[in-house]
Amino acid sequence: DVKVTQSSRYLVKRTGEKVFLECVQDMDHENMFWYRQDPGLGLRLIYFSYDVKMKEKGDIPEGYSVSREKKERFSLILESASTNQTSMYLCASRTQGQGQPQHFGDGTRLSIL
Amino acid sequence: SQQGEEDPQALSIQEGENATMNCSYKTSINNLQWYRQNSGRGLVHLILIRSNEREKHSGRLRVTLDTSKKSSSLLITASRAADTASYFCATMEGSNYKLTFGKGTLLTVNP
Repeated sequence: DVKVTQSSRYLVKRTGEKVFLECVQDMDHENMFWYRQDPGLGLRLIYFSYDVKMKEKGDIPEGYSVSREKKERFSLILESASTNQTSMYLCASRTQGQGQPQHFGDGTRLSIL
Repeated sequence: SQQGEEDPQALSIQEGENATMNCSYKTSINNLQWYRQNSGRGLVHLILIRSNEREKHSGRLRVTLDTSKKSSSLLITASRAADTASYFCATMEGSNYKLTFGKGTLLTVNP
């Protein structure tokens, strides 16, 4: 089975802090994704990476950056955390190809105080 | 931007009944996927249907796709309490890497 592991299930940080969310997958997938999920808004794509060192902005990239130095790891960075970034963050990965599903981690519930 | 929209937003049924959820979308798609999310967990892929397919089955799941109406339905037969979850449709356009998710249907199956 594919395993996508997010480093923390729950995280509490303060406004202005630089926050790192880590995601690791064990299936040699080329594509990796970061979403945030908010009540009433569903899942929204923040960034994705189609290969190592490659990244593309999703629908809501403002206030975030990403890093993909190794194929198995995709990091989401909140440069200066703000309260409106309190959310559930979900990482996903998939193998290359149009008909391939995404495999999700269990999420990180991030609170910015 | 939101592509898929699920209907209804919430559905409550008794164990053993069938549950039907609908998804509408706006633009041409390459494929449409359904995912399940248990409370507090990540999403789990259920089934994928390609734009040239009309119906697909997987166990107790049946998915239909009507590209002329830009809509899909997910039928869960003989529902169980363990089916209680949120269900999302997601669309992929062309050769894009991206999936665009709807806001989900919350299904509650009462024992």
